[in-house]
Amino acid sequence: GAVVSQHPSRVICKSGTSVKIECRSLDFQATTMFWYRQFPKQSLMLMATSNEGSKATYEQGVEKDKFLINHASLTLSTLTVTSAHPEDSSFYICSARTAGTDTQYFGPGTRLTVL
Amino acid sequence: DAKTTQPPSMDCAEGRAANLPCNHSTISGNEYVYWYRQIHSQGPQYIIHGLKNNETNEMASLIITEDRKSSTLILPHATLRDTAVYYCIVSPGVGSSNTGKLIFGQGTTLQVKP
Repeated sequence: GAVVSQHPSRVICKSGTSVKIECRSLDFQATTMFWYRQFPKQSLMLMATSNEGSKATYEQGVEKDKFLINHASLTLSTLTVTSAHPEDSSFYICSARTAGTDTQYFGPGTRLTVL
Repeated sequence: DAKTTQPPSMDCAEGRAANLPCNHSTISGNEYVYWYRQIHSQGPQYIIHGLKNNETNEMASLIITEDRKSSTLILPHATLRDTAVYYCIVSPGVGSSNTGKLIFGQGTTLQVKP
């Protein structure tokens, strides 16, 4: 149990385009989902927290208009990187937690490369 | 900033126990100790968590000192597949008003050698 998937696993796009990444909880209802990014040889950095049906809460320094997060259902959250630039190239990872539990379960990550 | 301190790297012989230390001297009474690991280019994997009692599951054991200022993750019989970055994280339980977000530090790179 507690499986989280992400799609796509890797994406290459041109500078200036937008990219959408999906995060799904496959066997539980994810009341809260989290989005992280990880640059090479660095640790995970939390970008935002989203509760189903509510607006996401962004960490300091993360542009909410650039990284659009939607958590419209209990099994799906999406992260859209708008007007992507090469510096947005990173490993994006989501995690999900269900109500009443302390444990987060992570997706496999999405490798974004912006040319 | 992460509220834990871990050694940057450790080696362990295959088949032996791996003992990974973590200092969290500023831990609050309502904060749990979580351990996750990340194998290269994958998402983190949950290992174990605890509040003040020692915990054991099929993957590992978690030993928390009585004053809760440090803990040790024990992998009883390390295999080559246990080579990964291990993260020790403290975070309030979801029972509080906290969302349960996790702040990752740099972790310990465990290299299991044949």
